[in-house]
Amino acid sequence: DAKTTQPPSMDCAEGRAANLPCNHSTISGNEYVYWYRQIHSQGPQYIIHGLKNNETNEMASLIITEDRKSSTLILPHATLRDTAVYYCIVRPFTGTASKLTFGTGTRLQVTL
Amino acid sequence: GAVVSQHPSRVICKSGTSVKIECRSLDFQATTMFWYRQFPKQSLMLMATSNEGSKATYEQGVEKDKFLINHASLTLSTLTVTSAHPEDSSFYICSAFPITSGTDTQYFGPGTRLTVL
Repeated sequence: DAKTTQPPSMDCAEGRAANLPCNHSTISGNEYVYWYRQIHSQGPQYIIHGLKNNETNEMASLIITEDRKSSTLILPHATLRDTAVYYCIVRPFTGTASKLTFGTGTRLQVTL
Repeated sequence: GAVVSQHPSRVICKSGTSVKIECRSLDFQATTMFWYRQFPKQSLMLMATSNEGSKATYEQGVEKDKFLINHASLTLSTLTVTSAHPEDSSFYICSAFPITSGTDTQYFGPGTRLTVL
């Protein structure tokens, strides 16, 4: 799986958009970008994934650059409950069960 | 949908005893479940892949005789930490992959915090 680089921590004011960057300059053509988050003392939660087109769901938007070497997860209106560690993971889409390799992630602190 | 539960959520045991942790997929079937371990202020590390009806596959450095995994049904996998020691104190998290999902999204349990005295 391609290596990813994320800032160790970020702050965001409640109600503002949180933009979490991820660099994956060695990404291969068949690798997707996945985002998970882990709220303190809980299991990780799937957020979104994409290949090359921008994606949006009820939780977030994923913007992938045209060269696919970086991406940004956007939480449009961050709340205190979005305080968590966010993990960007790059790996091939297999359609079958395969393990996830977690990096150190970005610790997002949402403040009043 | 896609809910995974773990039991217990928290356990404290004495050194030398064994502890069993259950991972259940509540509203879907899973032939494959994964067990992760997370030490304080660190990221999740995969311990093993649990396959229903067959032997688990362990990651390098994980002792299979110490961490016994049994995946007896399509909704239940168990992890038994045998002869636990203080260094086994950690947050154990399972994930399950739905058979019919057509994607490779896996769903995580809430975790079990093990403290060995």
